[in-house]
Amino acid sequence: DAKTTQPPSMDCAEGRAANLPCNHSTISGNEYVYWYRQIHSQGPQYIIHGLKNNETNEMASLIITEDRKSSTLILPHATLRDTAVYYCIVDPRSGTYKYIFGTGTRLKVLA
Amino acid sequence: GAVVSQHPSRVICKSGTSVKIECRSLDFQATTMFWYRQFPKQSLMLMATSNEGSKATYEQGVEKDKFLINHASLTLSTLTVTSAHPEDSSFYICSASGQRGTGELFFGEGSRLTVL
Repeated sequence: DAKTTQPPSMDCAEGRAANLPCNHSTISGNEYVYWYRQIHSQGPQYIIHGLKNNETNEMASLIITEDRKSSTLILPHATLRDTAVYYCIVDPRSGTYKYIFGTGTRLKVLA
Repeated sequence: GAVVSQHPSRVICKSGTSVKIECRSLDFQATTMFWYRQFPKQSLMLMATSNEGSKATYEQGVEKDKFLINHASLTLSTLTVTSAHPEDSSFYICSASGQRGTGELFFGEGSRLTVL
């Protein structure tokens, strides 16, 4: 079973920030939080990952709570091309990379 | 960044035939690759872990004689769907880990199989 839970769907206005939450209350100390997205009929695309500190890259920001039981992916200025299913996954970085995907959040960016 | 390529992207075959899907890591060596299956409007389901030079490890409920996996080199893994039936129609996706320590997996574009 997936170790994460996410809301099934969200809408966001174009140009606004999209905040996608993820609950991972059973996360272990050595497990990282990874975010991927899947645009329709394509393979998943890596977005960002983190352990306990907040992270930012050219695509998004990742905010992890202090107790590490939840995180939020932030797309600062959503565009129509960000419409996709977003998956939050936990896995040990030095582990097997045997990702178990949950149901993800279907983000729809509205014009 | 690291790139994983799958071929073919789409394939249509008749029931009872076998279909081979290739997964290649283009600019890095992948000792381990993973195969997923995805039905419409559902999440990715891990089918098997493909290890270079050894037998694949299959997830519970996945028939190893039905889904043959070969990982003959550090850049190529193949999935063969044998004696395909319409219920095998699905979106098949492979992935590979990048350079040691980077953590993330890189996924192929996916291969859509339709069995008539």
